[in-house]
Amino acid sequence: DSGVTQTPKHLITATGQRVTLRCSPRSGDLSVYWYQQSLDQGLQFLIQYYNGEERAKGNILERFSAQQFPDLHSELNLSSLELGDSALYFCASSISTGGNEQFFGPGTRLTVL
Amino acid sequence: GQSLEQPSEVTAVEGAIVQINCTYQTSGFYGLSWYQQHDGGAPTFLSYNALDGLEETGRFSSFLSRSDSYGYLLLQELQMKDSASYFCALQGGNYQLIWGAGTKLIIKP
Repeated sequence: DSGVTQTPKHLITATGQRVTLRCSPRSGDLSVYWYQQSLDQGLQFLIQYYNGEERAKGNILERFSAQQFPDLHSELNLSSLELGDSALYFCASSISTGGNEQFFGPGTRLTVL
Repeated sequence: GQSLEQPSEVTAVEGAIVQINCTYQTSGFYGLSWYQQHDGGAPTFLSYNALDGLEETGRFSSFLSRSDSYGYLLLQELQMKDSASYFCALQGGNYQLIWGAGTKLIIKP
């Protein structure tokens, strides 16, 4: 158990819909990262927050947005969903902003029908 | 830009030693990390090389050569539970991790 929690574990929705994925980092970790992993693919970095502020952006679509709240939990919002958005979404956390050692949550499996 | 290359799949025998290579192209970076991911599971951190040379953690070792733009993960005394995907990740100049596509390690009895 990494100490990072993600909800929900599974999510099934339809095209065009909007969903919110939630992540709570390990106690004491200030950085939160979001990743997308499509079937049998590598990890695509989406976005990082550090202590409430956006720190870095990766390959995140304009339909996607995220935020980190004062209690350090984070939410990833995915809107106007398309079939291709079906993937595993991981949240990770680290103590510092330069996290070479990141602790991953169990992921949310999103299926868009 | 920055990019990493790993073999897509490696096969080895239980009890043997296997090396998973990672070559990269970058103008500058802080270090190279390795992660393990079992099917359906989350990636877990294995090791990090900030400096050239070998880092050993139990049955796993990781190596970095900046002059050769090359690193590898060495797994010894392979066990069936080591069957997983292994990712190298470069910690770039902005401290972000750039991930390789992963190497699927298949272990045969």
